[in-house]
Amino acid sequence: AQSVTQLDSHVSVSEGTPVLLRCNYSSSYSPSLFWYVQHPNKGLQLLLKYTSAATLVKGINGFEAEFKKSETSFHLTKPSAHMSDAAEYFCVVIPRGHGSGNTGKLIFGQGTTLQVKP
Amino acid sequence: EPEVTQTPSHQVTQMGQEVILRCVPISNHLYFYWYRQILGQKVEFLVSFYNNEISEKSEIFDDQFSVERPDGSNFTLKIRSTKLEDSAMYFCASKLFVTSGDTDTQYFGPGTRLTVL
Repeated sequence: AQSVTQLDSHVSVSEGTPVLLRCNYSSSYSPSLFWYVQHPNKGLQLLLKYTSAATLVKGINGFEAEFKKSETSFHLTKPSAHMSDAAEYFCVVIPRGHGSGNTGKLIFGQGTTLQVKP
Repeated sequence: EPEVTQTPSHQVTQMGQEVILRCVPISNHLYFYWYRQILGQKVEFLVSFYNNEISEKSEIFDDQFSVERPDGSNFTLKIRSTKLEDSAMYFCASKLFVTSGDTDTQYFGPGTRLTVL
């Protein structure tokens, strides 16, 4: 079964310092991977997605992620955290190789809460 | 910018009662989804819906659950007889395209928090 594991449930950084949110995936097939963000009382918003093109993916608000097949990882980074980055972040995979795979259902990781301290 | 909306934002109900959660997807989107997140747990897929029928459903989506697109704009999730364990945040999502190997962006609503007492 295809899945993602977010290695940290909670990450705390100071404003202006780098952000690293870790995600490992499990997939027998070339996966499609996403990062979504959820701010309080808001819907889930797509940050970026990897779909087998460039391995370094740039997203909104200065975030980027690198697909590393050898490490089965898709970590999310940002060079300098801003207070407005405080939110819940989800690493997500679309299963492939199943008979019903083209419905595009998303499989979520457990989520990482990012705290940004002034 | 178009967005997915959900009503109500919070629903409190008694165990055994029926609830209907409402979603208005983005108007030209073709594919619709429901997900749920029990407090402290992962977001879980419930069901996908295309061309007025269910295209995929999870094990969670048993015969107590149903979905409907009654009027071409709303997309509803009905739980016939709620249980305590149905308490969760329910998210609706929609997507524009339906293509093979589809990886198009799903746009999510803000969620409805369902509390079953």
